[in-house]
Amino acid sequence: GENVEQHPSTLSVQEGDSAVIKCTYSDSASNYFPWYKQELGKGPQLIIDIRSNVGEKKDQRIAVTLNKTAKHFSLHITETQPEDSAVYFCAASRASYNTDKLIFGTGTRLQVFP
Amino acid sequence: DVKVTQSSRYLVKRTGEKVFLECVQDMDHENMFWYRQDPGLGLRLIYFSYDVKMKEKGDIPEGYSVSREKKERFSLILESASTNQTSMYLCASSWLRGYTFGSGTRLTVV
Repeated sequence: GENVEQHPSTLSVQEGDSAVIKCTYSDSASNYFPWYKQELGKGPQLIIDIRSNVGEKKDQRIAVTLNKTAKHFSLHITETQPEDSAVYFCAASRASYNTDKLIFGTGTRLQVFP
Repeated sequence: DVKVTQSSRYLVKRTGEKVFLECVQDMDHENMFWYRQDPGLGLRLIYFSYDVKMKEKGDIPEGYSVSREKKERFSLILESASTNQTSMYLCASSWLRGYTFGSGTRLTVV
């Protein structure tokens, strides 16, 4: 069935360093790739998304890249801050406007040390 | 902002009880979803709904059912709770872009 693999499961970085989280997906028809951030005691929150007709998207300190040929996409966080510490989930879907179900990765726990 | 409200943050139920988890969204979204979240397994889809009175099974529907009588409300039902249903349950709604999640219900079945 459809599957999204996410690595690493945990990531520790020093404040100010960059962090990269990688995901691969199995369904070649997937065309929507969001990233969610989950802070302690809260539900996941959408932080950035990318569609299949775009190779890269940036929003301040976060960026996402997509390689459709290799079926993988990555989240890049630059100049990390302690408040970036959270669990991050990638996901993939077939629908362009997210009217279809998302398949999630298993999550990455990011710790940013001051 | 869209708000998705889950009725309980913490629940403790006994094995064999019928359990209702309620979810309400306030932005007229068409789509609603129930996931469970377990360490190392990520978020797994239990059931989803694209319209009132419509429901579809997700990846792990066994032991669960759902109800969507009104557009804003999507209920998850555990017909006979078991200890392996101890988990964090997340409800989400969506329309056009991205899911909005509730804060989750942590259910413990003893």
